Amino acid sequence: AQSVAQPEDQVNVAEGNPLTVKCTYSVSGNPYLFWYVQYPNRGLQFLLKYITGDNLVKGSYGFEAEFNKSQTSFHLKKPSALVSDSALYFCAVRGPYTGTASKLTFGTGTRLQVTL
Amino acid sequence: TAGITQAPTSQILAAGRSMTLRCTQDMRHNAMYWYRQDLGLGLRLIHYSNTAGTTGKGEVPDGYSVSRANTDDFPLTLASAVPSQTSVYFCASSDSMVNEQFFGPGTRLTVL
Repeated sequence: AQSVAQPEDQVNVAEGNPLTVKCTYSVSGNPYLFWYVQYPNRGLQFLLKYITGDNLVKGSYGFEAEFNKSQTSFHLKKPSALVSDSALYFCAVRGPYTGTASKLTFGTGTRLQVTL
Repeated sequence: TAGITQAPTSQILAAGRSMTLRCTQDMRHNAMYWYRQDLGLGLRLIHYSNTAGTTGKGEVPDGYSVSRANTDDFPLTLASAVPSQTSVYFCASSDSMVNEQFFGPGTRLTVL
Protein backbone atom coordinates (compact mmCIF):
# COMPACT_ATOMS: atom_id res chain seq x y z
CA ALA A 1 0.00 0.00 0.00
CA GLN A 2 1.18 3.50 -0.71
CA SER A 3 1.58 6.07 2.05
CA VAL A 4 2.77 9.61 2.69
CA ALA A 5 4.25 11.09 5.83
CA GLN A 6 4.41 14.77 6.63
CA PRO A 7 6.29 14.74 9.93
CA GLU A 8 5.60 18.34 10.92
CA ASP A 9 2.13 19.51 11.84
CA GLN A 10 3.28 23.11 11.63
CA VAL A 11 6.24 25.01 10.25
CA ASN A 12 6.96 28.56 11.36
CA VAL A 13 9.21 30.85 9.34
CA ALA A 14 9.89 34.56 9.14
CA GLU A 15 9.05 36.41 5.96
CA GLY A 16 12.04 36.56 3.64
CA ASN A 17 13.59 33.39 5.04
CA PRO A 18 13.73 30.12 3.11
CA LEU A 19 11.12 27.52 3.93
CA THR A 20 11.01 23.74 3.72
CA VAL A 21 7.97 21.52 4.20
CA LYS A 22 8.94 17.87 4.50
CA CYS A 23 7.37 14.86 2.83
CA THR A 24 8.40 11.23 2.63
CA TYR A 25 6.56 8.51 0.78
CA SER A 26 6.23 4.78 0.33
CA VAL A 27 5.02 3.22 -2.91
CA SER A 28 5.75 0.22 -5.09
CA GLY A 29 7.51 1.23 -8.27
CA ASN A 30 8.22 4.71 -9.53
CA PRO A 31 6.17 7.35 -7.75
CA TYR A 32 4.04 10.19 -9.03
CA LEU A 33 4.34 12.97 -6.44
CA PHE A 34 2.28 16.10 -5.95
CA TRP A 35 2.06 19.13 -3.69
CA TYR A 36 -1.18 20.98 -3.05
CA VAL A 37 -1.98 24.10 -1.02
CA GLN A 38 -5.21 24.83 0.82
CA TYR A 39 -6.20 28.30 1.96
CA PRO A 40 -8.88 28.69 4.64
CA ASN A 41 -12.35 27.56 3.56
CA ARG A 42 -11.10 26.71 0.09
CA GLY A 43 -10.45 23.56 -1.91
CA LEU A 44 -6.97 22.27 -2.65
CA GLN A 45 -4.93 23.99 -5.34
CA PHE A 46 -2.24 22.19 -7.32
CA LEU A 47 1.30 23.52 -6.83
CA LEU A 48 3.63 21.12 -8.61
CA LYS A 49 4.26 17.50 -9.52
CA TYR A 50 7.04 15.04 -10.19
CA ILE A 51 6.42 12.36 -12.79
CA THR A 52 9.85 11.75 -14.28
CA GLY A 53 12.92 13.68 -15.37
CA ASP A 54 14.74 16.35 -13.38
CA ASN A 55 14.69 15.82 -9.65
CA LEU A 56 14.11 19.52 -9.02
CA VAL A 57 10.60 20.52 -9.96
CA LYS A 58 9.44 24.11 -10.16
CA GLY A 59 5.84 25.06 -9.60
CA SER A 60 3.43 27.88 -8.89
CA TYR A 61 4.09 30.93 -6.68
CA GLY A 62 7.87 30.37 -6.60
CA PHE A 63 7.67 26.96 -4.95
CA GLU A 64 9.89 24.06 -5.90
CA ALA A 65 10.38 20.52 -4.70
CA GLU A 66 13.24 18.07 -4.87
CA PHE A 67 12.66 14.40 -5.54
CA ASN A 68 15.15 12.18 -3.73
CA LYS A 69 14.69 8.53 -4.61
CA SER A 70 17.22 7.14 -2.15
CA GLN A 71 15.60 8.97 0.74
CA THR A 72 12.05 8.56 -0.64
CA SER A 73 11.46 12.25 -0.05
CA PHE A 74 9.82 15.09 -1.91
CA HIS A 75 10.34 18.19 0.22
CA LEU A 76 8.67 21.46 -0.75
CA LYS A 77 10.88 24.55 -0.72
CA LYS A 78 10.80 28.25 -1.39
CA PRO A 79 13.84 30.55 -1.24
CA SER A 80 12.02 33.50 0.33
CA ALA A 81 8.74 33.06 2.22
CA LEU A 82 5.86 35.51 2.06
CA VAL A 83 3.14 36.08 4.65
CA SER A 84 0.66 35.19 1.91
CA ASP A 85 2.22 31.69 1.74
CA SER A 86 0.61 30.90 5.09
CA ALA A 87 -1.70 27.97 4.40
CA LEU A 88 -2.09 24.21 4.75
CA TYR A 89 0.15 22.14 2.48
CA PHE A 90 -0.49 18.57 1.40
CA CYS A 91 1.88 16.09 -0.19
CA ALA A 92 0.35 13.25 -2.23
CA VAL A 93 1.63 10.13 -3.98
CA ARG A 94 0.39 7.49 -6.34
CA GLY A 95 2.08 4.48 -7.80
CA PRO A 96 2.71 3.66 -11.46
CA TYR A 97 -0.18 3.88 -13.84
CA THR A 98 -2.07 0.58 -13.85
CA GLY A 99 -5.08 1.50 -15.95
CA THR A 100 -7.22 2.53 -13.00
CA ALA A 101 -8.10 5.97 -11.77
CA SER A 102 -5.29 8.08 -10.41
CA LYS A 103 -5.88 7.25 -6.76
CA LEU A 104 -3.80 9.63 -4.74
CA THR A 105 -2.82 9.07 -1.16
CA PHE A 106 -2.49 12.30 0.79
CA GLY A 107 -0.43 13.18 3.81
CA THR A 108 -2.08 14.68 6.86
CA GLY A 109 -0.97 18.18 5.95
CA THR A 110 1.50 20.74 7.30
CA ARG A 111 0.39 24.17 8.36
CA LEU A 112 2.85 26.85 7.24
CA GLN A 113 2.84 30.05 9.26
CA VAL A 114 4.89 32.92 7.88
CA THR A 115 5.30 35.94 10.15
CA LEU A 116 6.67 39.42 9.64
CA THR B 1 -14.28 29.01 -16.37
CA ALA B 2 -16.10 27.50 -13.40
CA GLY B 3 -14.00 24.35 -13.09
CA ILE B 4 -15.69 22.27 -10.43
CA THR B 5 -18.78 23.38 -8.56
CA GLN B 6 -20.21 21.76 -5.46
CA ALA B 7 -23.55 22.19 -3.77
CA PRO B 8 -24.57 22.91 -1.13
CA THR B 9 -21.78 24.94 0.44
CA SER B 10 -22.78 23.72 3.86
CA GLN B 11 -25.54 21.66 5.41
CA ILE B 12 -26.76 20.58 8.81
CA LEU B 13 -28.46 17.19 8.63
CA ALA B 14 -30.31 15.13 11.20
CA ALA B 15 -28.98 11.64 11.77
CA GLY B 16 -30.88 9.05 9.79
CA ARG B 17 -31.77 11.42 6.99
CA SER B 18 -30.49 11.04 3.44
CA MET B 19 -28.66 13.62 1.42
CA THR B 20 -27.01 14.02 -1.96
CA LEU B 21 -23.95 16.21 -2.41
CA ARG B 22 -23.72 17.53 -5.93
CA CYS B 23 -20.57 17.92 -8.02
CA THR B 24 -20.32 19.22 -11.57
CA GLN B 25 -17.24 19.88 -13.69
CA ASP B 26 -17.01 21.72 -16.99
CA MET B 27 -13.52 20.56 -18.00
CA ARG B 28 -14.64 17.34 -19.69
CA HIS B 29 -12.35 15.36 -17.42
CA ASN B 30 -12.76 11.59 -17.53
CA ALA B 31 -11.93 10.85 -13.91
CA MET B 32 -13.73 12.19 -10.85
CA TYR B 33 -13.28 11.63 -7.13
CA TRP B 34 -14.90 12.26 -3.77
CA TYR B 35 -12.78 12.89 -0.67
CA ARG B 36 -13.55 13.72 2.91
CA GLN B 37 -11.24 15.94 4.95
CA ASP B 38 -11.01 15.47 8.68
CA LEU B 39 -8.65 17.22 11.08
CA GLY B 40 -5.47 15.23 11.55
CA LEU B 41 -6.39 12.68 8.90
CA GLY B 42 -5.81 14.64 5.72
CA LEU B 43 -7.93 13.71 2.71
CA ARG B 44 -9.34 10.24 2.32
CA LEU B 45 -10.82 8.90 -0.89
CA ILE B 46 -14.46 7.79 -0.64
CA HIS B 47 -15.32 6.79 -4.22
CA TYR B 48 -13.94 7.45 -7.66
CA SER B 49 -14.93 7.11 -11.30
CA ASN B 50 -12.56 6.40 -14.19
CA THR B 51 -15.09 7.47 -16.79
CA ALA B 52 -18.81 7.91 -17.23
CA GLY B 53 -20.68 4.74 -16.39
CA THR B 54 -18.04 3.31 -14.05
CA THR B 55 -17.37 3.80 -10.34
CA GLY B 56 -15.05 2.32 -7.74
CA LYS B 57 -14.56 2.24 -3.99
CA GLY B 58 -11.89 4.25 -2.28
CA GLU B 59 -10.44 4.05 1.19
CA VAL B 60 -13.61 4.87 3.18
CA PRO B 61 -16.67 3.95 1.06
CA ASP B 62 -19.03 2.63 3.76
CA GLY B 63 -22.22 4.65 4.11
CA TYR B 64 -21.74 6.42 0.77
CA SER B 65 -22.80 5.72 -2.79
CA VAL B 66 -22.07 7.43 -6.11
CA SER B 67 -23.23 7.38 -9.69
CA ARG B 68 -21.71 8.65 -12.92
CA ALA B 69 -24.44 8.91 -15.51
CA ASN B 70 -22.50 11.42 -17.62
CA THR B 71 -19.06 13.01 -17.84
CA ASP B 72 -19.90 16.20 -15.97
CA ASP B 73 -21.79 15.09 -12.85
CA PHE B 74 -20.70 12.91 -9.95
CA PRO B 75 -23.16 13.04 -7.03
CA LEU B 76 -22.40 11.55 -3.63
CA THR B 77 -25.30 10.14 -1.61
CA LEU B 78 -25.53 9.43 2.09
CA ALA B 79 -28.47 7.04 2.46
CA SER B 80 -28.80 7.32 6.25
CA ALA B 81 -26.45 9.88 7.75
CA VAL B 82 -24.56 9.26 11.01
CA PRO B 83 -22.62 11.77 13.13
CA SER B 84 -19.28 10.25 12.06
CA GLN B 85 -20.00 11.51 8.56
CA THR B 86 -19.61 15.07 9.79
CA SER B 87 -16.79 16.33 7.61
CA VAL B 88 -15.80 18.57 4.73
CA TYR B 89 -16.36 16.85 1.41
CA PHE B 90 -14.34 17.65 -1.70
CA CYS B 91 -15.01 16.62 -5.25
CA ALA B 92 -12.11 16.50 -7.70
CA SER B 93 -11.44 15.63 -11.33
CA SER B 94 -8.49 14.86 -13.57
CA ASP B 95 -8.04 14.53 -17.31
CA SER B 96 -5.73 11.57 -17.21
CA MET B 97 -4.44 8.91 -14.90
CA VAL B 98 -1.14 10.67 -14.25
CA ASN B 99 -2.00 14.31 -14.14
CA GLU B 100 -2.99 16.47 -11.23
CA GLN B 101 -6.49 16.60 -9.80
CA PHE B 102 -8.55 19.77 -9.66
CA PHE B 103 -10.67 20.32 -6.58
CA GLY B 104 -14.01 21.93 -5.92
CA PRO B 105 -14.60 24.39 -3.07
CA GLY B 106 -16.04 21.75 -0.74
CA THR B 107 -19.24 21.04 1.17
CA ARG B 108 -19.21 21.29 4.95
CA LEU B 109 -21.62 18.71 6.35
CA THR B 110 -22.69 18.46 9.97
CA VAL B 111 -24.72 15.44 11.05
CA LEU B 112 -26.46 15.84 14.40
